[in-house]
Amino acid sequence: QSVLTQPPSASGTPGRNVTISCSGSDSDIGSKTVNWYRQLPGTTPKLVIYSTNQRPSGVPDRFSGSKSGTSASLAISGLQSEDEADYFCASWDDSLNGPVFGGGTKLTVL
Amino acid sequence: EVQLVESGGGLVKPGGSLRLSCAASGFTFSQSTVYWVRQAPGRGLEWVSSISGRSIYKYYADSVTGRFTVSRDNAQNSLYLHMNSLRADDTAIYYCAREYCSHHVCYPALDSWGQGTLVTVSS
Repeated sequence: QSVLTQPPSASGTPGRNVTISCSGSDSDIGSKTVNWYRQLPGTTPKLVIYSTNQRPSGVPDRFSGSKSGTSASLAISGLQSEDEADYFCASWDDSLNGPVFGGGTKLTVL
Repeated sequence: EVQLVESGGGLVKPGGSLRLSCAASGFTFSQSTVYWVRQAPGRGLEWVSSISGRSIYKYYADSVTGRFTVSRDNAQNSLYLHMNSLRADDTAIYYCAREYCSHHVCYPALDSWGQGTLVTVSS
C-alpha cells in the first residue's frame, strides 16, 4: 500500500484539461515539496514536475503542479494522445530519509 | 547524454541473494546522490535505498533494512545493491536513478532513470 493516495484512474478528451490529485500527510506533502513522474507504457518514469510547481527543461508548460495543505495536484491542459500514461506523485519523509510515492493514476485520453 | 544501465537481475529462490549493478555515464557520478527504486509488476513505485556521492550517507526503506546493502565505486562509475534473504514480495523491476540537480542546487527528485532490471523471487 502506497504512502500517498492517488485515484487509480482519470480520463479526458483531446484538447481539454485534466487534474490528478495526490493526498498525503503533515509529515510528507504537508511539509515537503512534491514531484510528479510520468510513465508511458513499457518505459521508465520521467520527471515532469519538481519542487511542487517547477518544470524540468523540456517539459511543456501544459503541465503544472500545485499543493494545498496535505494535498497536491498535477494539471495537464490541452490534453494530447501522447499524455496517456501512468502518473505518480512523490514527496519526502524525513523519518525515512527517502521519498514516498503515490500508487499512480492511469490517465486515459478518450 | 546521461545514461544509467542496470544489470544483475534474474530468478532467485526465496532466501537467496543477488547483486544488482548500475553503470553510470554522461555526468559526474561521484558528485551525485543515487537511488534504487523498485516497481512490482503492475504496481506503483517504491523507494528502496539511496547513497550520497562519497558514500557518507546510506538510507534504506524499512522493508529492506537489514537485508539489502547499497554501495558505490566512483572510480568505476558504478552503483550496487546487494540483496540477501530475498522474499517473494521483493519481486520487482529495480531502477537506479539520479538525484536532480540544476544550477548547482539539488532537489529531492529523480531526473534520470535506468531501464530497470527484473528480479523474480520464486521457488
